[in-house]
Amino acid sequence: QKEVEQDPGPLSVPEGAIVSLNCTYSNSAFQYFMWYRQYSRKGPELLMYTYSSGNKEDGRFTAQVDKSSKYISLFIRDSQPSDSATYLCAMKGFTGGGNKLTFGTGTQLKVEL
Amino acid sequence: SQTIHQWPATLVQPVGSPLSLECTVEGTSNPNLYWYRQAAGRGLQLLFYSVGIGQISSEVPQNLSASRPQDRQFILSSKKLLLSDSGFYLCAWSLETGVPGANVLTFGAGSRLTVL
Repeated sequence: QKEVEQDPGPLSVPEGAIVSLNCTYSNSAFQYFMWYRQYSRKGPELLMYTYSSGNKEDGRFTAQVDKSSKYISLFIRDSQPSDSATYLCAMKGFTGGGNKLTFGTGTQLKVEL
Repeated sequence: SQTIHQWPATLVQPVGSPLSLECTVEGTSNPNLYWYRQAAGRGLQLLFYSVGIGQISSEVPQNLSASRPQDRQFILSSKKLLLSDSGFYLCAWSLETGVPGANVLTFGAGSRLTVL
């Protein structure tokens, strides 16, 4: 079993839709949770960073963490064609050990006009 | 502000040839540095990380090696490339501050390697 599971998609939605992207994990030592967005042939860029269980909102993006269920989500409201990208979840334990992250395989999202 | 540079962006090499990918970070001191490989359907695989000059930790046994000759320079090398070395290689940096939210990874633009 992988430490982090993420549905690879592809996920295709119409413009304006609400998108839900999810990851589950098995390692209870994970305490920090991140979402990265990666456009084709580019490096990943950090979208959201969360530490506590609950919701964190940033514009059209909301990151949700449920540590009891070992489940994290990223919601995108009013999705735009520019949101078309691969979304990677990532997580790590407490600081130290070189800040190594464990990544999901990524979900490919396409927002269509 | 901090920036990360990675080159070359694209590389096509024959099997058995050597490899050198370079990464430099500007605007910060003593960063943690990382090399990841990304393959389709397999996500990001950590290859090497470094917490200081000359300090390299290898995560996966393989045909590759890494070196950190200067504080903000990280090099990925191979003496003889294999077909299986093809992939998208990403350099990243972070700071070890002990402050949540201050030590996330920032990635370079990536180097796409095709071994023929």
